[in-house]
Amino acid sequence: LAKTTQPISMDSYEGQEVNITCSHNNIATNDYITWYQQFPSQGPRFIIQGYKTKVTNEVASLFIPADRKSSTLSLPRVSLSDTAVYYCLVGSMYNQGGKLIFGQGTELSVKP
Amino acid sequence: SAVISQKPSRDICQRGTSLTIQCQVDSQVTMMFWYRQQPGQSLTLIATANQGSEATYESGFVIDKFPISRPNLTFSTLTVSNLSPEDSSIYLCSALRGDRASIAKNIQYFGAGTRLSVL
Repeated sequence: LAKTTQPISMDSYEGQEVNITCSHNNIATNDYITWYQQFPSQGPRFIIQGYKTKVTNEVASLFIPADRKSSTLSLPRVSLSDTAVYYCLVGSMYNQGGKLIFGQGTELSVKP
Repeated sequence: SAVISQKPSRDICQRGTSLTIQCQVDSQVTMMFWYRQQPGQSLTLIATANQGSEATYESGFVIDKFPISRPNLTFSTLTVSNLSPEDSSIYLCSALRGDRASIAKNIQYFGAGTRLSVL
């Protein structure tokens, strides 16, 4: 299973762009890169997923270089409500049969 | 997305008793899972709840301590047995929808969790 490494915590201010980088050197060919967001007292929530290059949705963008050994979650113009823990997961149904293996996550704190 | 309801949302239990947590999904799903999350920590997978058969447990978790049922495609229960203070944690269920895109990409939906405190 591909192990992920991401910063334990990050601080930002409202209106700034936040980039959280995740390292996954052992990513397998079939693996997707998926990010979940977790607010206090809630379960994780899927926010974005990609395989290569760039993916953008209404919440975030995900940048994946050609070697796929890392990925960067980009949150544009964060607000206080973006304060949460962000988890980077790497895997696939093929490799893990549905299991999600969570790493330590990045605790993002957005300040006014 | 799938809506997942967990009950109870929180409970305080005495040592030696058991707590059963229910997880209800608003649509049929292929796979359901149970996780534990210690305060301030990440999620740890307990087991995969298999419909109509015994659950598949991860290393360090056993059926006698965490019996799981999944009688149909939308419902599962996790029981935490013979409670001790070390079992104080948040327990979450998740579900993988049955559509082809969700299965291929393994996008899962989580309940809000059950916060268990053992005295």
